[in-house]
Amino acid sequence: DADVTQTPRNRITKTGKRIMLECSQTKGHDRMYWYRQDPGLGLRLIYYSFDVKDINKGEISDGYSVSRQAQAKFSLSLESAIPNQTALYFCATSDSWTGGPQHFGDGTRLSIL
Amino acid sequence: KNQVEQSPQSLIILEGKNCTLQCNYTVSPFSNLRWYKQDTGRGPVSLTIMTFSENTKSNGRYTATLDADTKQSSLHITASQLSDSASYICVVSAQAAGNKLTFGGGTRVLVKP
Repeated sequence: DADVTQTPRNRITKTGKRIMLECSQTKGHDRMYWYRQDPGLGLRLIYYSFDVKDINKGEISDGYSVSRQAQAKFSLSLESAIPNQTALYFCATSDSWTGGPQHFGDGTRLSIL
Repeated sequence: KNQVEQSPQSLIILEGKNCTLQCNYTVSPFSNLRWYKQDTGRGPVSLTIMTFSENTKSNGRYTATLDADTKQSSLHITASQLSDSASYICVVSAQAAGNKLTFGGGTRVLVKP
């Protein structure tokens, strides 16, 4: 089984819909991250969480929200999806001693029409 | 502004040959530098991580170098294999709350038989 599991793997939806992307991990890591990847651009941080009661905005948090339901679960929501949120979304984890994400999920490809 | 520039954007090499990918950064204050490999349709996988005091680090046929004075890093792939076909991403972490990361745009490598 994968260490970091993202669901769904692919999603096509319409403008204005609410969407939730889910991430679960079996690494036992405290830190979890949500990134967005667009063609030709580097990954950009949306939100990150250092433990269950900690939520921090990344560089592109507008239009997104997150929930850290448990140490192993971190979900990303788009309250009212818009076409420029079409992208590949990655969840990642790290332990407290290493700078930056160590383990990534395989991504959710989101298309908003 | 923190930036990470990778070159070339893409390259094609023959199986068995060596290649070197470049990463130049302006991130400050520097904390660490990672190289990731991202296969098509998969999440990035960490290859190496180097701190300020480390000049070189190897992971199998992958060898990363770091020159903190010139703010340059390279990733050398020895005796390339078809499975090395992927995007390689350079990521630099700044010493700040949350170890803010700056991602390069990646170098896409295609290994041909």
